[in-house]
Amino acid sequence: GQQLNQSPQSMFIQEGEDVSMNCTSSSIFNTWLWYKQDPGEGPVLLIALYKAGELTSNGRLTAQFGITRKDSFLNISASIPSDVGIYFCAGHSSGTYKYIFGTGTRLKVLA
Amino acid sequence: DAGVIQSPRHEVTEMGQEVTLRCKPISGHNSLFWYRQTMMRGLELLIYFNNNVPIDDSGMPEDRFSAKMPNASFSTLKIQPSEPRDSAVYFCASSWTNNGLVLSGNTIYFGEGSWLTVV
Repeated sequence: GQQLNQSPQSMFIQEGEDVSMNCTSSSIFNTWLWYKQDPGEGPVLLIALYKAGELTSNGRLTAQFGITRKDSFLNISASIPSDVGIYFCAGHSSGTYKYIFGTGTRLKVLA
Repeated sequence: DAGVIQSPRHEVTEMGQEVTLRCKPISGHNSLFWYRQTMMRGLELLIYFNNNVPIDDSGMPEDRFSAKMPNASFSTLKIQPSEPRDSAVYFCASSWTNNGLVLSGNTIYFGEGSWLTVV
């Protein structure tokens, strides 16, 4: 079945640093979604992307829909301690009901 | 607007007992998903419903698991009998789809999860 490769799997960064993570797919998606999951909570939608090449920001977060439609990137600028958590990407293909999720990037921010 | 509402948030039960997890999707959404999350396997899709009809239950682990959606505002996931290996976080999520066509706003929203421990 479809799989998403999300990298890195985990990262430790210093407060104030920028963070980059990405997802790649073996097939084309029409929608890319990025979620954050805090400990003990459910995934919360951060950014949704609907068009190849689209670049969308949400505060310090910026995500891009890759032009090949097989990848997406999430950047966090000037990280703060509350950015800690697990970040998931998800892709959706036209004509299907399924959302395919990445394995997550676990982010830890060192103050 | 209320998000996806799940209950119970936490449940500890003994092996062999029946467990029922409940979900109220976002009003107006016509697709509902049950996921299971574990450290080893990440997020696994168990079953999804469209317009209250089960479309794909291929992710349901075995016959001990069953799910129903009697109406557009309520779904249950039942495990009977429960086993320790069922311990996980179970998420309900909802979305709006138009026969699978991707439209602007086709996003999936999660509940806060039901933390299940079977001892």
